[in-house]
Amino acid sequence: AQTVTQSQPEMSVQEAETVTLSCTYDTSENNYYLFWYKQPPSRQMILVIRQEAYKQQNATENRFSVNFQKAAKSFSLKISDSQLGDTAMYFCAFMKVDDMRFGAGTRLTVKP
Amino acid sequence: EAGVAQSPRYKIIEKRQSVAFWCNPISGHATLYWYQQILGQGPKLLIQFQNNGVVDDSQLPKDRFSAERLKGVDSTLKIQPAKLEDSAVYLCASSSPGQGHEKLFFGSGTQLSVL
Repeated sequence: AQTVTQSQPEMSVQEAETVTLSCTYDTSENNYYLFWYKQPPSRQMILVIRQEAYKQQNATENRFSVNFQKAAKSFSLKISDSQLGDTAMYFCAFMKVDDMRFGAGTRLTVKP
Repeated sequence: EAGVAQSPRYKIIEKRQSVAFWCNPISGHATLYWYQQILGQGPKLLIQFQNNGVVDDSQLPKDRFSAERLKGVDSTLKIQPAKLEDSAVYLCASSSPGQGHEKLFFGSGTQLSVL
């Protein structure tokens, strides 16, 4: 079974600075997808960024980028130029076919 | 495009009572998921439907939880009888091969409090 581990329960960053959230996973699969989801207090799960395991190039979406290390089974999220609206829970997720598993989450607070 | 709809948004019940949650996925999405998210934890998959058939219900406590997806569209998740540890947010999600089967669209969830 696939497991996803987020070792940072809480993190904080000053507005406009950069922060990196960590995620590791365990799988014997070779083809899979990795995701970062943002969950604000509204509870809506919002897709931040997605990475296909077969792609070596790290995914980037505006201020969000990932560092995907397949051999190390590591998938960290970097948020540049942090904004107050980035304050939320962030979940790392692993998906094989259509089975998605989540980590426990990291609560990120952006301070003014 | 309308998103995944869930109701009710909040529900408070006493232990041993019954409760039902409703989910209407995005039109045309064949796959529907129910997740349980306990406070401070990530979502845990309870059950996954492909059209009106169950793909995975290995983590569904079948002695008290049941779910159905009649006609392969909307779905209902029921808890009977509820326990204190069932207090959580219940998230519904849907996906479709046409939109990148690996992308899930989530509803806003139902927050259940069992007293």
